[in-house]
Amino acid sequence: QKEVEQNSGPLSVPEGAIASLNCTYSDRGSQSFFWYRQYSGKSPELIMSIYSNGDKEDGRFTAQLNKASQYVSLLIRDSQPSDSATYLCAVTGFQKLVFGTGTRLLVSP
Amino acid sequence: DTEVTQTPKHLVMGMTNKKSLKCEQHMGHRAMYWYKQKAKKPPELMFVYSYEKLSINESVPSRFSPECPNSSLLNLHLHALQPEDSALYLCASSVVTGNQETQYFGPGTRLLVL
Repeated sequence: QKEVEQNSGPLSVPEGAIASLNCTYSDRGSQSFFWYRQYSGKSPELIMSIYSNGDKEDGRFTAQLNKASQYVSLLIRDSQPSDSATYLCAVTGFQKLVFGTGTRLLVSP
Repeated sequence: DTEVTQTPKHLVMGMTNKKSLKCEQHMGHRAMYWYKQKAKKPPELMFVYSYEKLSINESVPSRFSPECPNSSLLNLHLHALQPEDSALYLCASSVVTGNQETQYFGPGTRLLVL
């Protein structure tokens, strides 16, 4: 079992729709959870962090964490073509971040 | 401010060359990291420096040699690389807030080994 799992996609949504990205992790001791956005050829950019069960909202982005189910999700409301990128889920491991393989999101105009 | 800078942006080198990648942050972050990223793959951790000391080496070949001259600067010395080492090399630094640590990435150096 991989430590952090994501569907590689692509996830295709029309402009204005809600994009839902999901991530599961295996280490129950993980404390911090992150979503990074990475455009092709660029470096990962932190867009959300979440540490407690529940929802955390920042603009059009909402991160959701369920530690009992070992599940993290990212919702993007009113998706824009500029949101088209790969979204990396990352979870803290022992002294390091463990990344999922990323989900490619395509938002069509 | 969460800026991490990296130079050069692009680097082409032959298998017999010696080159260095540079990373800087002036945010007082305690830890700095080198990652390697191949196309369509997630970043792969190479090294971690914590308080200027090497704390993690992910079994990286010795042709990659990290150096942390001070708390703001991280270098990666490259020697006798192979074409398969061509990749995006990412530097990151991390900040601790409360008991949570968050990593921020630099823009990366695109390396091509011929």
